[in-house]
Amino acid sequence: DAGITQSPRHKVTETGTPVTLRCHQTENHRYMYWYRQDPGHGLRLIHYSYGVKDTDKGEVSDGYSVSRSKTEDFLLTLESATSSQTSVYFCAIGGSGNQHEQYFGPGTRLTVT
Amino acid sequence: GNSVTQMEGPVTLSEEAFLTINCTYTATGYPSLFWYVQYPGEGLQLLLKATKADDKGSNKGFEATYRKETTSFHLEKGSVQVSDSAVYFCALSSGGSNYKLTFGKGTLLTVNP
Repeated sequence: DAGITQSPRHKVTETGTPVTLRCHQTENHRYMYWYRQDPGHGLRLIHYSYGVKDTDKGEVSDGYSVSRSKTEDFLLTLESATSSQTSVYFCAIGGSGNQHEQYFGPGTRLTVT
Repeated sequence: GNSVTQMEGPVTLSEEAFLTINCTYTATGYPSLFWYVQYPGEGLQLLLKATKADDKGSNKGFEATYRKETTSFHLEKGSVQVSDSAVYFCALSSGGSNYKLTFGKGTLLTVNP
């Protein structure tokens, strides 16, 4: 299994509070991704990174920001959490040369009350 | 843009039954195609992949063939087990410099003894 950990694994927070989720990899992959998973929507890309300090938006980036100060860590921040951001968040790594597959972390279940 | 359409579930089968989960796609160029599996409470695991037309991906008794003429990548297994109960996602990557994946919405499979 790819060395990907996410923290916290579960979090309950109140509307309007800031939240940061962490993804840590030990595989030295250049590319890292944040997805959210919601019933009826599959997985949707929030943001991705293609190197230290290099990030770009995905299809559902509104309300989220990311940072990558080290190769191994990719942080997802909800500046002011809303109930619509209640979801399961997955980090993934992958993409190199001709290999397009991604490998996923165990997920973080976030509930915004 | 890219899109993936997979059959809606849930799919319920008896042990040893034959499984087919349909997946069709729309993409520019020559995408790589994937099936991922998600067991309850876990992240997504890569099940199999195919990178060019007529390639057959296989793993753990599951198979899928990349059919460019029908833009399809249907997942099959000849004899399912209770342990195959999970959500299955079809996905594609159309290459480029960001290796982004586009996912279908997922199909829940339940196998009864």
